[in-house]
Amino acid sequence: AQSVTQLDSQVPVFEEAPVELRCNYSSSVSVYLFWYVQYPNQGLQLLLKYLSGSTLVESINGFEAEFNKSQTSFHLRKPSVHISDTAEYFCAVRDGTGNQFYFGTGTSLTVIP
Amino acid sequence: KAGVTQTPRYLIKTRGQQVTLSCSPISGHRSVSWYQQTPGQGLQFLFEYFSETQRNKGNFPGRFSGRQFSNSRSEMNVSTLELGDSALYLCASSLQLAGGNEQFFGPGTRLTVL
Repeated sequence: AQSVTQLDSQVPVFEEAPVELRCNYSSSVSVYLFWYVQYPNQGLQLLLKYLSGSTLVESINGFEAEFNKSQTSFHLRKPSVHISDTAEYFCAVRDGTGNQFYFGTGTSLTVIP
Repeated sequence: KAGVTQTPRYLIKTRGQQVTLSCSPISGHRSVSWYQQTPGQGLQFLFEYFSETQRNKGNFPGRFSGRQFSNSRSEMNVSTLELGDSALYLCASSLQLAGGNEQFFGPGTRLTVL
């Protein structure tokens, strides 16, 4: 079974500063990779996903993530954060052998004015 | 299109009771997955239903069960509730089995067991 590690449970960052939220997974066998965001009192929303092709994927609100197979990582980055980016971010992996999603424990991003 | 809806939004039960949670997927979606979200454990996969059949199951005891109806709506049942079952239960739907497809999440049902 897969395991997903989000090393940082809380990340405080000042507004307009860059941020990186780290995600590592356990197995490099064919995987699909996802980042979800959860705003307070809401369900999860898909931020971006890697299925195949270019290893760098982008979201519409300025986030990007890079699939690194050798390091089994899928870190999420944004060059300049906004107050509205304050939320919980979850990394998820679904491997090609099973059909189960595995989620990390989440990273709480707090953007400080 | 309406999003994924879950009812009820909040529920308070006592130990030993049972509970049924309901999830209505987005129209046209055939796959429904259930997750348990707790502060310490994050999201943990319970099971996935597709075409009224359970296709995948997580590592939860038999007290947790589910089913899916012909209209793709799904219910989750937890029997003999324990204090540790207090959590946010999330339902997610997708067009097909959620392999590489996007899952759309509902707002969740907050279950508190006293």
